[in-house]
Amino acid sequence: QSVLTQPPSASGTPGQRVTISCSGSSSNIGSNYVYWYQQLPGTAPKLLIYRNNQRPSGVPDRFSGSKSGTSASLAISGLRSEDEADYYCAAWDDSLSGSHVVFGGGTKLTVL
Amino acid sequence: EVQLVESGGGLVQPGRSLRLSCTASGFTFGDYAMSWVRQAPGKGLEWVGFIRSKAYGGTTEYAASVKGRFTISRDDSKSIAYLQMNSLKTEDTAVYYCTSAVTTPDAFDIWGQGTMVTVSS
Repeated sequence: QSVLTQPPSASGTPGQRVTISCSGSSSNIGSNYVYWYQQLPGTAPKLLIYRNNQRPSGVPDRFSGSKSGTSASLAISGLRSEDEADYYCAAWDDSLSGSHVVFGGGTKLTVL
Repeated sequence: EVQLVESGGGLVQPGRSLRLSCTASGFTFGDYAMSWVRQAPGKGLEWVGFIRSKAYGGTTEYAASVKGRFTISRDDSKSIAYLQMNSLKTEDTAVYYCTSAVTTPDAFDIWGQGTMVTVSS
């Protein structure tokens, strides 16, 4: 069981807007930044969003992130076929045993 | 070009050891923390641990699932991070990625291509 909870799947048609949720707790999302990664089949993950809502250079503005309390979400607007991938949220978790990174279980996005 | 390249993966029997390497290029390796993340076949991402830069003490943190069995180290003179894996279990079978925050303050913005570790008798 992953520390962060994501829906296992999501889908949309080209041009649509889809959102993927990520739920955590006070020790991770509630007190730290959220990051989002995209993983295309057979490739290494790629950073999409950092510090809740910041996009690295080169990431289209179709991708946006938000955070509220102990939950976060990734929104993809103007959905494209090349967006079909697995999406993971992540955050630092400040537990008693030290700082750790926790990931969500991943959401497989299908473009219909 | 900023790049990370993992090596050292392979097939190993349960209980044995294996050392992975992550060779960096294109940035000042010694200035950055280095992390390892793994992905079991068909599963999601799991953080393994990281080593801070020498400026922050070069200390390490590990996931509970590998603490006491895995050790991360670094050789800044060679721009290499290592993952020493001891007492391997079948559940350690995964693709192992090294990653770091180089162009962003604290996100995993560069990743290697990954190296496969299979633990099986």
